[in-house]
Amino acid sequence: GAGVSQSPSNKVTEKGKDVELRCDPISGHTALYWYRQSLGQGLEFLIYFQGNSAPDKSGLPSDRFSAERTGGSVSTLTIQRTQQEDSAVYLCASSRQYGGYGYTFGSGTRLTVV
Amino acid sequence: AQKVTQAQTEISVVEKEDVTLDCVYETRDTTYYLFWYKQPPSGELVFLIRRNSFDEQNEISGRYSWNFQKSTSSFNFTITASQVVDSAVYFCALSEAQGGSEKLVFGKGTKLTVNP
Repeated sequence: GAGVSQSPSNKVTEKGKDVELRCDPISGHTALYWYRQSLGQGLEFLIYFQGNSAPDKSGLPSDRFSAERTGGSVSTLTIQRTQQEDSAVYLCASSRQYGGYGYTFGSGTRLTVV
Repeated sequence: AQKVTQAQTEISVVEKEDVTLDCVYETRDTTYYLFWYKQPPSGELVFLIRRNSFDEQNEISGRYSWNFQKSTSSFNFTITASQVVDSAVYFCALSEAQGGSEKLVFGKGTKLTVNP
């Protein structure tokens, strides 16, 4: 597509439930990143994909967080047993290749855990 | 560890004023990249510029200009003749050029308000 697409745009969930956030990167972009933006912590890196593999998962805050990417395209970020501190905007970004052109970010998914 | 500091939390100016957003970074690497992103009220992060550590030339793009000084580890951003549409949060970011990942370390952002 023309841009990075994320769904849903907003998600309200009850504490303890699992959620899945989806990212559809720009066609042909091999690199995909997940970030989290919260009031207290600013913008934080979560995970990086190159193709379907994730060589850098260093930013995932706990084992409740996981992500996968299939077909070198769509990625899903899953948060299990959500906690209130997981409330944030989750941003996905893609880029054509390493060291190239900067990222294109999606509009994000605003997650609220109640 | 890498760190990016944007000391100005909020700036308010009147339209047509020039404004400079400061960014200071820390890294032990000799090869790295610096970025500026704009986040308007709509929330989407918009890429503005990428600069590698070997290129200290200043860059100008319309009303935007960037001053990269390795000696002071700074990468400042100036908007000339500001406009209301420039109102946004601006983020400076740093990445290392290793390992295939261009993951970014962001500053906390500077909220710029341009008043008519």
